Amino acid sequence: QKEVEQNSGPLSVPEGAIASLNCTYSDRGSQSFFWYRQYSGKSPELIMFIYSNGDKEDGRFTAQLNKASQYVSLLIRDSQPSDSATYLCAFGMDSSYKLIFGSGTRLLVRP
Amino acid sequence: EADIYQTPRYLVIGTGKKITLECSQTMGHDKMYWYQQDPGMELHLIHYSYGVNSTEKGDLSSESTVSRIRTEHFPLTLESARPSHTSQYLCASSEGQGDTEAFFGQGTRLTVV
Repeated sequence: QKEVEQNSGPLSVPEGAIASLNCTYSDRGSQSFFWYRQYSGKSPELIMFIYSNGDKEDGRFTAQLNKASQYVSLLIRDSQPSDSATYLCAFGMDSSYKLIFGSGTRLLVRP
Repeated sequence: EADIYQTPRYLVIGTGKKITLECSQTMGHDKMYWYQQDPGMELHLIHYSYGVNSTEKGDLSSESTVSRIRTEHFPLTLESARPSHTSQYLCASSEGQGDTEAFFGQGTRLTVV
């Protein structure tokens, strides 16, 4: 079992819709969770991080964490064509120096 | 804005050549990472370091080597480049333990012919 599982997509949504991206992880020792966005040919850039169970909102983005279910998600409200990219989830542990990435979900927002 | 720099951005080199990919950060971060990523594929951790004189191999086996003589500098070396080494190499750094965000450089796209 991979440490981080993401649906590779593509996830296609119309402009203005809510895009929902999901990620599951296997290590219960994981303490911090990150969502990165990566445009084609570019480096990943951090969108959000979340450490505690529940929701965390930042503008159009909401991260949701459920440690009991080992599940983290990212909601993008009012999706725009410029949101079309690959979204990577990642997790880290306080006891480890590694940051583990999922394989990413490709999001396509149709105008 | 992250201050982590990679050079060169693009490199085309012949088989058998020795190459060094440079990565420097000015944020004083203890942790640094090298990831390898083929187009449209996932990031693979190939090396990481948690401080000066500490380096570890990542989850993906790589023929490259790294060094960490100074906090700000984490170069990656291939002693004899092969076409199978063609890929994008991304350097990243973060502060402290495993629970902090990583900042990425712009990457080096390596092509071995």
